[in-house]
Amino acid sequence: SQQGEEDPQALSIQEGENATMNCSYKTSINNLQWYRQNSGRGLVHLILIRSNEREKHSGRLRVTLDTSKKSSSLLITASRAADTASYFCATDARSGTYKYIFGTGTRLKVLA
Amino acid sequence: DAGVIQSPRHEVTEMGQEVTLRCKPISGHDYLFWYRQTMMRGLELLIYFNNNVPIDDSGMPEDRFSAKMPNASFSTLKIQPSEPRDSAVYFCASSAGRTVGYTFGSGTRLTVV
Repeated sequence: SQQGEEDPQALSIQEGENATMNCSYKTSINNLQWYRQNSGRGLVHLILIRSNEREKHSGRLRVTLDTSKKSSSLLITASRAADTASYFCATDARSGTYKYIFGTGTRLKVLA
Repeated sequence: DAGVIQSPRHEVTEMGQEVTLRCKPISGHDYLFWYRQTMMRGLELLIYFNNNVPIDDSGMPEDRFSAKMPNASFSTLKIQPSEPRDSAVYFCASSAGRTVGYTFGSGTRLTVV
């Protein structure tokens, strides 16, 4: 079963605009991660945020986490055509075993 | 480091045949994961290992699937016999621990006809 669900399913923006993707999950977590997947390729790790953190930055990426709402958001600022990809959140439920369950993904298209 | 290496990149086989997918994790990573990705079901965790020991195989679809990790540098996922519904992209990933991200391989695209 999938723990996380991304919203929107698809997003199309112009180069230079900001892109925001949201992730909601069902059970309490230890950590949440965001990954990028270019078409036909493997997933690339972007950011990990722990349950006791509220915000994290990496370059043009900003991730927020609201554990009370069981949700996270990924913001990509000043988007580029190269940001075109699918973005997934992944959560490890606070159940003992170490395994990340991936959400359904957001397909981002950045138009040049 | 060359990253997580999977082979083959593509596999086309006939229904009923045995299929073996291979993975070489990053040296020093204690965790190894096998995922399957399809349009319908997204990314599904099949099984994961810690220090070569299978920890959770609850995602393995059925007895036709088996995975092994005979040493820290090699893992296999075997499907016997294969069926058309097994067609998917199979990813291997490794990790150094719970608070760091996974490194994924490029995947094996399996087509069972």
